[in-house]
Amino acid sequence: GAVVSQHPSRVICKSGTSVKIECRSLDFQATTMFWYRQFPKKSLMLMATSNEGSKATYEQGVEKDKFLINHASLTLSTLTVTSAHPEDSSFYICSAGHRGEADTQYFGPGTRLTVL
Amino acid sequence: AQKITQTQPGMFVQEKEAVTLDCTYDTSDPSYGLFWYKQPSSGEMIFLIYQGSYDQQNATEGRYSLNFQKARKSANLVISASQLGDSAMYFCAMREGQAGTYKYIFGTGTRLKVLA
Repeated sequence: GAVVSQHPSRVICKSGTSVKIECRSLDFQATTMFWYRQFPKKSLMLMATSNEGSKATYEQGVEKDKFLINHASLTLSTLTVTSAHPEDSSFYICSAGHRGEADTQYFGPGTRLTVL
Repeated sequence: AQKITQTQPGMFVQEKEAVTLDCTYDTSDPSYGLFWYKQPSSGEMIFLIYQGSYDQQNATEGRYSLNFQKARKSANLVISASQLGDSAMYFCAMREGQAGTYKYIFGTGTRLKVLA
């Protein structure tokens, strides 16, 4: 199956700082990547759709200035949580679509963000 | 209204037995995809099985099979010969829209516990 990596796997930061999370498709090209947020024992909430070479599409209620997404290449998308606050603490997961397999979404291992 | 409904928050199954995890969906799109993912305690989302809306036969992948009943809008996951390692959270997901504008919607999940 297709492999998606995510870095870092875990990050702890102080309130007010910015944190960048990288999502890479390792063995395939992904024109579209998705960013999700998952609260403890809850389902995945789609935050935004990241399109290579164009602006991300944000879901309703997600602040685009707070969660900056850059999809610089066909294998890399980044999510930057700007001026992080404790309420931003969560599990962030990215996924990338593999066109050759019915656009099956393959997920990264996730990043656990803790804002102190 | 919920687009993906998983009515079983938790399930128990005896090792080596089969178990069915329920999923119903709601869409007016003629073309859609249905997915099941497994999320162990480590947090990663593992793709298990895919069913396209036009697929005539139920999808199967090893011990996983998808009981697709289009008229009832259900896509239940059947795990045969359960193993202890199957204990995890299971999410049903639906892909809607057209290529390039896909949206993926997740259910609330079912926590499966396999008993020795």
